Amino acid sequence: DAKTTQPPSMDCAEGRAANLPCNHSTISGNEYVYWYRQIHSQGPQYIIHGLKNNETNEMASLIITEDRKSSTLILPHATLRDTAVYYCIVRAMDSNYQLIWGAGTKLIIKP
Amino acid sequence: EAQVTQNPRYLITVTGKKLTVTCSQNMNHEYMSWYRQDPGLGLRQIYYSMNVEVTDKGDVPEGYKVSRKEKRNFPLILESPSPNQTSLYFCASSFGPIGTHAYKQYFGPGTRLTVT
Repeated sequence: DAKTTQPPSMDCAEGRAANLPCNHSTISGNEYVYWYRQIHSQGPQYIIHGLKNNETNEMASLIITEDRKSSTLILPHATLRDTAVYYCIVRAMDSNYQLIWGAGTKLIIKP
Repeated sequence: EAQVTQNPRYLITVTGKKLTVTCSQNMNHEYMSWYRQDPGLGLRQIYYSMNVEVTDKGDVPEGYKVSRKEKRNFPLILESPSPNQTSLYFCASSFGPIGTHAYKQYFGPGTRLTVT
């Protein structure tokens, strides 16, 4: 089954760039990689998604390696409000409609 | 304002007493899902719906039922709740199907359920 691997936790200084890695070595060629975050126990919030090319929006940048086996979410100027659990997600291989959510990375932004 | 609403937000109930958690979205989305989240785990999908009257099981459907009679509503039904269904529940909706560029999920605020 397609799945992702993320470090369980990371720290980052306020104002610095936060780089969150994700390994998805079993992803197939036409699958998107999605990133969401969850602040405390609120509903998860969509951040960004990508297929092959790097993507950028108002929240973050997504860098996907050429072989698509891994990606990095970049928060360019982290603030205290970016403290959250970040999930890297791919589709389940045997389903058209299910996403596989791992345990995510707990990102703590320190002042 | 585009949003997904869930009610109730908090619920304490006893084993065996049927309950329904409502979910409604105002974005005319076709796709809706229910998830549960337990401590230290990511979200696990319970059921999903691709459109009105079209639903299917997710990863952990046992003990739950859903219905999709209207596009905007997707209630989660626990016919006979048990303590192992104590969890944080999220409803989500999206415009497009998973795996497409349009698959951006909007989540509700969550329902914290305790079954004693």
